[in-house]
Amino acid sequence: EVQLVESGGGLVQPGRSLRLSCEASGFSFNDYAMHWVRQAPGKGLEWVSGISWNSVSIGYADSVKGRFTISRDNAKHSLYLQMNSLRAEDTALYYCAKEIHIQVVILRLDIWGQGTMVTVSS
Amino acid sequence: EIVLTQSPGTLSLSPGERATLSCRAGQSVSSSFLAWYQQKPGQAPRLLIYGASTRATGIPDRFSGSGSGTDFTLTISRLEPEDFAVYYCQQYGSSPWATFGGGTKVEIK
Repeated sequence: EVQLVESGGGLVQPGRSLRLSCEASGFSFNDYAMHWVRQAPGKGLEWVSGISWNSVSIGYADSVKGRFTISRDNAKHSLYLQMNSLRAEDTALYYCAKEIHIQVVILRLDIWGQGTMVTVSS
Repeated sequence: EIVLTQSPGTLSLSPGERATLSCRAGQSVSSSFLAWYQQKPGQAPRLLIYGASTRATGIPDRFSGSGSGTDFTLTISRLEPEDFAVYYCQQYGSSPWATFGGGTKVEIK
């Protein structure tokens, strides 16, 4: 079964850091670009960051650029999001998601995890 | 950044009716880069349509997508009880890589 499982969320104070992880199973992880998408409580979807299958191409939303860092470890079938200088507006459910097609970055996201909640509050 | 505007915000319909959801882009979007997702309460989004009109695996043929340039449409030909949900359009671009519309909620009338 193709599956993505996020972890690492929690309550953190403004200005602090948090690292999210996404463990993949059931598919050839090293062949697919991966993304983080977040959803603030009661709000819509916001793409946060993406990384190509070989880590050559990386992108960020303007709202997180310079504060968040995406990475992956293909040997561990895992995707990461290092979040620094967290703000209240970063409070959201963070999903990791997989591209539908092999070795492309085209933002067609066919498999999503269930998300991990990040709450930034003092 | 390409802004996607979805309308209406809420669509109140009965099972069996036809739903027409609009997604308008602030500038032209390649049809290849336009997708639609469905999200039910407490669930992750599900890919419905990509390339503006191609149904993802397992998506019933009552869902169809169309459009080009700046105007795109998701049509549900006959609403089933499980179709009542929030729908998002999304485009792939250069920077940022992706933007989502604000969503249309399809609710039971």
